[in-house]
Amino acid sequence: EADIYQTPRYLVIGTGKKITLECSQTMGHDKMYWYQQDPGMELHLIHYSYGVNSTEKGDLSSESTVSRIRTEHFPLTLESARPSHTSQYLCASSEYKGRSGELFFGEGSRLTVL
Amino acid sequence: AQRVTQPEKLLSVFKGAPVELKCNYSYSGSPELFWYVQYSRQRLQLLLRHISRESIKGFTADLNKGETSFHLKKPFAQEEDSAMYYCAPFGTGGFKTIFGAGTRLFVKA
Repeated sequence: EADIYQTPRYLVIGTGKKITLECSQTMGHDKMYWYQQDPGMELHLIHYSYGVNSTEKGDLSSESTVSRIRTEHFPLTLESARPSHTSQYLCASSEYKGRSGELFFGEGSRLTVL
Repeated sequence: AQRVTQPEKLLSVFKGAPVELKCNYSYSGSPELFWYVQYSRQRLQLLLRHISRESIKGFTADLNKGETSFHLKKPFAQEEDSAMYYCAPFGTGGFKTIFGAGTRLFVKA
């Protein structure tokens, strides 16, 4: 079944650790996005990609990095996690063709840095 | 600057009452407007888009370009409508969607 998957769903780690949040989609979409969301707050776009080897920074500055080596995979990496990185991270994808702007979201990865 | 304002963080109504969730936006160009919804323990999903001019689960939304508003309305709220609602313009130039802070709708029995 076509879907978008995020792992891990929950992660608690110590300061200074390197972490990678995985996002994969089987929907055949070209565009993929990472949003950061604090509880009760709006979603902020931190990274997006139009396709393979394309990555752009979003509207909210983030110390994380992303890569897009395969169409279906868009991982997010934090080289050295800090408590300020504690948040929920949502991955989304959408079609590139035409003007379709509908986003399909994963279930999210909730990160806690101690 | 691109901005979306949802003035109510929490909206509480009784079952059967009309509900209106407000959204005002400031966005260059002519964005497409969307409403997304997140029910308890479910992922964020599309509720409706303005170009479809359709009613989903009894909700409608009218785009007012003069007032740059895209308010979401339902004449008779149901308990299952309790959820978090986000207004989200999509820029066809940069293919990016920005989100408002969201409004939590609570429908009381």
